[in-house]
Amino acid sequence: AQSVTQLGSHVSVSEGALVLLRCNYSSSVPPYLFWYVQYPNQGLQLLLKYTSAATLVKGINGFEAEFKKSETSFHLTKPSAHMSDAAEYFCAVSEGSRASKIIFGSGTRLSIRP
Amino acid sequence: SAVISQKPSRDICQRGTSLTIQCQVDSQVTMMFWYRQQPGQSLTLIATANQGSEATYESGFVIDKFPISRPNLTFSTLTVSNMSPEDSSIYLCSVVSGTNEKLFFGSGTQLSVL
Repeated sequence: AQSVTQLGSHVSVSEGALVLLRCNYSSSVPPYLFWYVQYPNQGLQLLLKYTSAATLVKGINGFEAEFKKSETSFHLTKPSAHMSDAAEYFCAVSEGSRASKIIFGSGTRLSIRP
Repeated sequence: SAVISQKPSRDICQRGTSLTIQCQVDSQVTMMFWYRQQPGQSLTLIATANQGSEATYESGFVIDKFPISRPNLTFSTLTVSNMSPEDSSIYLCSVVSGTNEKLFFGSGTQLSVL
């Protein structure tokens, strides 16, 4: 069965600094991997998705994530944080060739310091 | 893309009662999913609802507590039965749609049980 672990329930960075949110996955078959963002009092929004194509995936709002099979990781990064990036971020994994049942990580709350 | 209408958007219910949440999609989809997001936590998959067959429940969730209907390819309901305060949560409907198999979420139902 697949699972995903997000390291750090809360990350705080200064505005303009690098954002790094960590995610490690476990899957018995090649996975699909996702990052979702949830802004305060809003629903989930897909940031980006890995589907076995390019290992470096670019998403919306300047975010990107790199799939590293050897490390079973899919960390989310953004070169320069903006105040509007403050939100809850969820890493997720699905198993198999279709993005069907998706299992979510516990989430990481990103805070941005002025 | 898929547009999902979920209702009610929120409700306050008494202990011991039941609430049925509706999920309507603007296109035909094979698989629909029901998630729960408890306060301050990540999303947990409750069940997968396929048209024409019984829903598949995840560990910790049972049909007697969360009966699901899936009468056609655009509609599903989730009932939260015999509610207790522990059922207070956001319940989300989601579907996989499109050639890129993107996961779409409804706006959620905020349930408070007194």
